[in-house]
Amino acid sequence: EAQVTQNPRYLITVTGKKLTVTCSQNMNHEYMSWYRQDPGLGLRQIYYSMNVEVTDKGDVPEGYKVSRKEKRNFPLILESPSPNQTSLYFCASFNRAGGGYEQYFGPGTRLTVT
Amino acid sequence: ELKVEQNPLFLSMQEGKNYTIYCNYSTTSDRLYWYRQDPGKSLESLFVLLSNGAVKQEGRLMASLDTKARLSTLHITAAVHDLSATYFCAVDNDMRFGAGTRLTVKP
Repeated sequence: EAQVTQNPRYLITVTGKKLTVTCSQNMNHEYMSWYRQDPGLGLRQIYYSMNVEVTDKGDVPEGYKVSRKEKRNFPLILESPSPNQTSLYFCASFNRAGGGYEQYFGPGTRLTVT
Repeated sequence: ELKVEQNPLFLSMQEGKNYTIYCNYSTTSDRLYWYRQDPGKSLESLFVLLSNGAVKQEGRLMASLDTKARLSTLHITAAVHDLSATYFCAVDNDMRFGAGTRLTVKP
């Protein structure tokens, strides 16, 4: 089954404690991205990756890091989480097909930073 | 900076009625996407619109794209309760999302 998986699904942590949210896709997609969703703001892109070892900033990259060492994995790293990073996070992957692309989203990770 | 505006943000409608959700964007783009999100769930792709004049239909939903007007619409025909969800448009440039339209269909 084609899917994007994220772990953990729920996480409560304290300010300053480094954490990693993993993302993996089994569709051999080139593109992967991370979004955060906050009420009234839709989804905002944090980082994206066009292929292995190629990453770029999205709209809200501050306080986040990513890496793309393998095609299937795209972890999101919060080196020193702060309360304003409390949010719902989605990973997505896609391939260009016919000039556009359809994104597949993971189930989401709800992060609370106290 | 690309801005994507959806309206309305909240929509409550009766079953059987028709309505349209609008998605305006501020810079040129030939591709636009519509997604559905159920409460507590992830996003599901509904439509991928790849060119000016593109129209796609699935069941009671029909999406269109006018790149000259920088406008996409999502039309709902004869709404049913199962369509209750939040709908997002997203513009291909930087994959910028609108704020979403929360649709509630009442019996």
